Amino acid sequence: RKEVEQDPGPFNVPEGATVAFNCTYSNSASQSFFWYRQDCRKEPKLLMSVYSSGNEDGRFTAQLNRASQYISLLIRDSKLSDSATYLCVGRARSGGSYIPTFGRGTSLIVHP
Amino acid sequence: GAVVSQHPSWVICKSGTSVKIECRSLDFQATTMFWYRQFPKQSLMLMATSNEGSKATYEQGVEKDKFLINHASLTLSTLTVTSAHPEDSSFYICSARDSGQPNYGYTFGSGTRLTVV
Repeated sequence: RKEVEQDPGPFNVPEGATVAFNCTYSNSASQSFFWYRQDCRKEPKLLMSVYSSGNEDGRFTAQLNRASQYISLLIRDSKLSDSATYLCVGRARSGGSYIPTFGRGTSLIVHP
Repeated sequence: GAVVSQHPSWVICKSGTSVKIECRSLDFQATTMFWYRQFPKQSLMLMATSNEGSKATYEQGVEKDKFLINHASLTLSTLTVTSAHPEDSSFYICSARDSGQPNYGYTFGSGTRLTVV
């Protein structure tokens, strides 16, 4: 079983819709979590860190539920430019380093 | 913010040759860098953790003699794909984290698209 699992989608939504992605992680020792956005044939770019108390950045809200071991990303008022793959990342200590583990990504398509 | 420079962006090479990919942290020091490989429509797969001044840590199934990693300074890690074959064609990406910024995530290089013909 993968350490970080996401529904690959695609999620196909109209402009202006609200969409939510969940991501589950199996390593309870994971300490930090992030959401990344990856456009086709490009490198991932950090979208936001996920804090225990939940955090919001404009139209994006991230939440962490340690008891159930999942993180979520909510996108409000979707724009065409939000179309991309969203990767969740968990970071856990392994040996002497903190290793980030990526989910396979959830594909979002926002259409007019 | 933290910037990671990776080059080349793309490379086409003949089967049996070696290709070196460089990853530099431009405005911070990175004792640890990560090398990933991504096949089309698949997730990033961690290949190895590059440690400055010591041997890299390879993930299970990744041949250390084929994918040579050198992390000779705090700002540079290199990945050399030796005796490349067509099945090595993939998108290779490095990443690093600015440990001086604890809430920063990982910054990625722009990736190297390797095609072996």
